[in-house]
Amino acid sequence: GESVGLHLPTLSVQEGDNSIINCAYSNSASDYFIWYKQESGKGPQFIIDIRSNMDKRQGQRVTVLLNKTVKHLSLQIAATQPGDSAVYFCAEFYSSYKLIFGSGTRLLVRP
Amino acid sequence: EPEVTQTPSHQVTQMGQEVILRCVPISNHLYFYWYRQILGQKVEFLVSFYNNEISEKSEIFDDQFSVERPDGSNFTLKIRSTKLEDSAMYFCAGQGATNEKLFFGSGTQLSVL
Repeated sequence: GESVGLHLPTLSVQEGDNSIINCAYSNSASDYFIWYKQESGKGPQFIIDIRSNMDKRQGQRVTVLLNKTVKHLSLQIAATQPGDSAVYFCAEFYSSYKLIFGSGTRLLVRP
Repeated sequence: EPEVTQTPSHQVTQMGQEVILRCVPISNHLYFYWYRQILGQKVEFLVSFYNNEISEKSEIFDDQFSVERPDGSNFTLKIRSTKLEDSAMYFCAGQGATNEKLFFGSGTQLSVL
């Protein structure tokens, strides 16, 4: 069945450190993946995406890695800031019209 | 920057009542979605909509749910007879083309009493 899951429900990091959030997906046919950030009381906010023809994509302070062999995604946040505290979801296009979210990881940034 | 707008931000209703959640997508978007999120849980897909038809729907989206784009700008989700378990945050999202990122609204918190 459809399943996009996360290994750690909560990640606590020191301000200034790098954060790595992991995600496993189940549909080997999925070819487009997105990371979203959700702050309390708000809708998911796009961070970065990656298509299956790539292994790595970089944005501003964020990097997404895709390992299709083991169906694994990771989001790396460099120099984590207090404003990065939120819940992070990976999402997988299970079909052309169906984006499925994983269960989320809460990132807590310690000052 | 264009935004997806959802109204109301909060809706309280009695069990068995009908509710309509409203969304104004970004103007050049063509594909529309509804998701829901029960408190503390993940964001769950409900339905996708394109060209005035449902493209896909989940098991959650049963006969009590319907979607409509009545006037080419608003996109609505109707729940005919609300149940307690329908209490959740409902998010509307839009997409300019398939296999592009979805833009989400800030949600409507539905509380069924």
